[in-house]
Amino acid sequence: EVQLLESGGALVQPGGSLRLSCTASGFTFSSFAMNWVRQAPGKGLEWVSGMSTSGGIGTNYADSVKGRFTISRDNSKNTLYLQMNDLRAEDTAVYYCAKDLLAATGYWLDPWGQGTQVTVSS
Amino acid sequence: SYELTQPLSVSVALGQTARITCGANNIGSKNVHWYQQKPGQAPVLVIYRDNNRPSGIPERFSGSNSGNTATLTISRAQGGDEADYYCLVWDSNIYVFGTGTKVSVL
Repeated sequence: EVQLLESGGALVQPGGSLRLSCTASGFTFSSFAMNWVRQAPGKGLEWVSGMSTSGGIGTNYADSVKGRFTISRDNSKNTLYLQMNDLRAEDTAVYYCAKDLLAATGYWLDPWGQGTQVTVSS
Repeated sequence: SYELTQPLSVSVALGQTARITCGANNIGSKNVHWYQQKPGQAPVLVIYRDNNRPSGIPERFSGSNSGNTATLTISRAQGGDEADYYCLVWDSNIYVFGTGTKVSVL
């Protein structure tokens, strides 16, 4: 069974940094693109970032986080990361990781983890 | 940027049919996927590539996509179908979600 487990969410002050992790099991992690999606309180879903198996040009970001967030992966640890810098109140959300269908991004997201809460507040 | 517009809410009587639309310019040329999200839970894929159901999703869920509108149809609606529903497409190297629709079963 495919499982994704996010961790690292916390309360952080504006301007601070945080690194989220997503540990995968039940599939060959290195063979699939992975993504981060967030959901602010009471709001809809917003795609944040995606990374193909090869990284590089296969890495994309939403305009709202470009230059502040960095996605990465460690295939030896079956783990996806999201480094978040210069955090703002509007980054407050539940952050989900989600598996893509193939090695490249752009197909669909399934399944999703249960999410980790990030709160940016002073 | 590409925008997907959904109705804020849809109400359906128990056992009847609900239709949730996802509108955008020429969306018929793209693959559309649909997610169900219940309170406090992660989204679940219910339709992929316009009209395909993942294993475990009831046949009551179906999809279509043409022109400027994609549609998720829930037949014989049940109380367990009450949830938020989102459409999703891939456009210009990013994923775009629809605005979301709250489905209420009366």
